[in-house]
Amino acid sequence: QSVLTQPPSVSGAPGQRVTISCTGSSSNIGADCDVHWYQQVAGTAPKLLIFGYKNRPSGVPDRFSGSKSGTSASLAITGLQAEDEADYYCLSYDSRLRGWVFGGGTKVTVL
Amino acid sequence: EVQLVESGGGLVKPGGSLRLSCAASGFTFSTYSMNWVRQAPGKGLEWVSSISSSSTYIYYADSLRGRFTISKDNAKNSLFLQMNSLRAEDTAVYYCSRGPDIVATKYYFDYWGQGSLVTVSS
Repeated sequence: QSVLTQPPSVSGAPGQRVTISCTGSSSNIGADCDVHWYQQVAGTAPKLLIFGYKNRPSGVPDRFSGSKSGTSASLAITGLQAEDEADYYCLSYDSRLRGWVFGGGTKVTVL
Repeated sequence: EVQLVESGGGLVKPGGSLRLSCAASGFTFSTYSMNWVRQAPGKGLEWVSSISSSSTYIYYADSLRGRFTISKDNAKNSLFLQMNSLRAEDTAVYYCSRGPDIVATKYYFDYWGQGSLVTVSS
């Protein structure tokens, strides 16, 4: 059971918008610790999608965006494409655990 | 191009030891922090350990402290993870990853290797 909670799965049709939440607490997201997002396509290594809540590394399409509100963060994917089908993880630092923690992961299915 | 290539994984008996290596290229290794992250079969990602660019600061997940040791050889552009007293629950793919200078609340892992499978079984 991770200290960062994500929905196990979300789905959407091609072209639709989906959002993935990452709910934390006062010892991580609520303590102003940055949230980062990763995409992991089946059988491959994770890939950085968003760092510092909302920043995209070069090469990441602007269909991916991040935001934060209180003790939660969200990843939005607009214009969903078949290639977006993957597992998505949030990452943050937890001051109580004194280490970095991942959310449990969310599987995105493109219908 | 940043490349991280893990090696050293394999099958080990419970209680045994294994040393993972990560060969880095395509960037100035001595100026970056490095990390190990693992993923048990069919499970999510779990942070294992991080080390600052000059090895001044070292961090471990509480559950692993005392059994695992991270180290960094800037002269050889290599990262290591010494794993002792291995248990079945340590079975996972172990990923080497890079990070900027460690500022805990802002730190993240930008580039990842393809991983090395460690299987702990009798």
